[in-house]
Amino acid sequence: DAKTTQPPSMDCAEGRAANLPCNHSTISGNEYVYWYRQIHSQGPQYIIHGLKNNETNEMASLIITEDRKSSTLILPHATLRDTAVYYCIVRASRRDMRFGAGTRLTVKP
Amino acid sequence: DADVTQTPRNRITKTGKRIMLECSQTKGHDRMYWYRQDPGLGLRLIYYSFDVKDINKGEISDGYSVSRQAQAKFSLSLESAIPNQTALYFCATSVGGLAGANVLTFGAGSRLTVL
Repeated sequence: DAKTTQPPSMDCAEGRAANLPCNHSTISGNEYVYWYRQIHSQGPQYIIHGLKNNETNEMASLIITEDRKSSTLILPHATLRDTAVYYCIVRASRRDMRFGAGTRLTVKP
Repeated sequence: DADVTQTPRNRITKTGKRIMLECSQTKGHDRMYWYRQDPGLGLRLIYYSFDVKDINKGEISDGYSVSRQAQAKFSLSLESAIPNQTALYFCATSVGGLAGANVLTFGAGSRLTVL
């Protein structure tokens, strides 16, 4: 299983883009990159996922490098409500989902 | 109503008691999961089920058992609760298939305290 590495914490100014990196240098060809976030002690919330191509939805954009060894989650205009722990997970579709420690993003006024 | 409902939301119990946490879903998903989260830490997978007849151990299954009574129901049991099982427990569901299989929908959590 591919292992992910994320910085333990990051800060971002309100209104600015938040760019959260994830390293997954051992990713396999059939593994997807998933991003979730957890606000305080709520249940984690799915954000976005991708295989090779960059993806965008109403919440965020996912940029995956061409060699697929790293990715970046972009929150284009961070708000205070985006303060959360963000989890990057690499997993094949037939496997269970396992969460690491994530990145604690703090959006500051 | 929530898509994934966990009961109870909060429970305080004593060491040695049997506890059951229940999860029900209205999403029609095949896959269901139980996770636990300790303060300041990430989620750890306890058990998961890919369909009604399928039960699999996760990372930390010792001390826990599960029952998939129907597609929509997945219960977690602590046969004899101990204090280090004090944690926040989450149930989650996902649809089978390819990429969507790991798009999980989580419940609101069940906070368990074992004294």
